[in-house]
Amino acid sequence: EPEVTQTPSHQVTQMGQEVILRCVPISNHLYFYWYRQILGQKVEFLVSFYNNEISEKSEIFDDQFSVERPDGSNFTLKIRSTKLEDSAMYFCASSERGGETGTEAFFGQGTRLTVV
Amino acid sequence: AQSVSQHNHHVILSEAASLELGCNYSYGGTVNLFWYVQYPGQHLQLLLKYFSGDPLVKGIKGFEAEFIKSKFSFNLRKPSVQWSDTAEYFCAVNARTGRRALTFGSGTRLQVQP
Repeated sequence: EPEVTQTPSHQVTQMGQEVILRCVPISNHLYFYWYRQILGQKVEFLVSFYNNEISEKSEIFDDQFSVERPDGSNFTLKIRSTKLEDSAMYFCASSERGGETGTEAFFGQGTRLTVV
Repeated sequence: AQSVSQHNHHVILSEAASLELGCNYSYGGTVNLFWYVQYPGQHLQLLLKYFSGDPLVKGIKGFEAEFIKSKFSFNLRKPSVQWSDTAEYFCAVNARTGRRALTFGSGTRLQVQP
């Protein structure tokens, strides 16, 4: 069964450092997403990406964040200068289509980011 | 803006008990509805989904959910839970048009005791 894969599974970084979280979405999917879950809180949407550009972003996704699809298979989330409050589980997801025709998002196993 | 409320934060049941987890959403337009499950240490997996048609949808592992449009609800049910159902359950919605991103509820931690 095709799946979304994320690397690394756990990343520890010092405050102020840049991190790149990597994702390989399911190959025939067209929409890609990043979500995060701070410990004990709900899963929150960060950004969606379609046709090589951001299609939606939340208020959380400020100038510290960026996304990229550098090579047609990987989908990355970069946090430019990490803060303690960026510590969370980051989930990548992909879907075949968008919401108009209804299709579910498939999630990766997540990257646990710990900022110290 | 969309919002999703899950009323039960932590539910403890014995094996073979029946389960119902509440989910209500707030949104003015047409939505798609989902229940995801997260087993300990694993990723979010889709349990079931509702797009249109029969409001009673059946998912994997014996779960079902009923969409009641007038109540803006999408409650999850299972007639007889097993120890292996211990997990966190998330209700989520997205808009049929416009915003495609999922809005999640806060989750319900289900603990099934053998």
